[in-house]
Amino acid sequence: GAGVSQSPSNKVTEKGKDVELRCDPISGHTALYWYRQSLGQGLEFLIYFQGNSAPDKSGLPSDRFSAERTGGSVSTLTIQRTQQEDSAVYLCASSLEVLVSYEQYFGPGTRLTVT
Amino acid sequence: GDSVTQMEGPVTLSEEAFLTINCTYTATGYPSLFWYVQYPGEGLQLLLKATKADDKGSNKGFEATYRKETTSFHLEKGSVQVSDSAVYFCALSAGAGGTSYGKLTFGQGTILTVHP
Repeated sequence: GAGVSQSPSNKVTEKGKDVELRCDPISGHTALYWYRQSLGQGLEFLIYFQGNSAPDKSGLPSDRFSAERTGGSVSTLTIQRTQQEDSAVYLCASSLEVLVSYEQYFGPGTRLTVT
Repeated sequence: GDSVTQMEGPVTLSEEAFLTINCTYTATGYPSLFWYVQYPGEGLQLLLKATKADDKGSNKGFEATYRKETTSFHLEKGSVQVSDSAVYFCALSAGAGGTSYGKLTFGQGTILTVHP
């Protein structure tokens, strides 16, 4: 079946512009996660959704970052007024539920470059 | 908070050599432990997992045992192949009450290169 998909695969934007990153989870997965992978910080958690609600937003780096999920499916991560330090690969993952033993399936990522 | 410490890389081995990548963790509660692998140009994928103490996860010849007494989850393979060249990430997801509940906390990753 279809895996987690993300779009765009690559995004180059100028400093100060807003960007939207999209994630389509595996059908039927109620949990959705956003992570960021960068050279300096490794893989870091940003936010997760159980259904449409986000119980834990502690990983969002600043108030320029926001995310939403609608219909228990597609999620959008928005970064406002992008900065060069936002350059990274943004990964989305989904799992059946938010339980420790359930595998998270990762998408291919969106590579964001802020110039 | 919860954390994962992974051995520094990169690791370079010859084909058929024995592999160990060390991983230790700090967590409250009873975490589940994972090894994820990222092959060149591909996304992260689960390699193996263990959900309770003394469990052994295994897949594709790789093994790791959940050691609660030493808070470790070292990855091993008896005979590596060129196709095992990738980046390996140790990760944990804590149980209820842990700071990593519902999310994966990753180690820094170890780059493995296997030469013929």
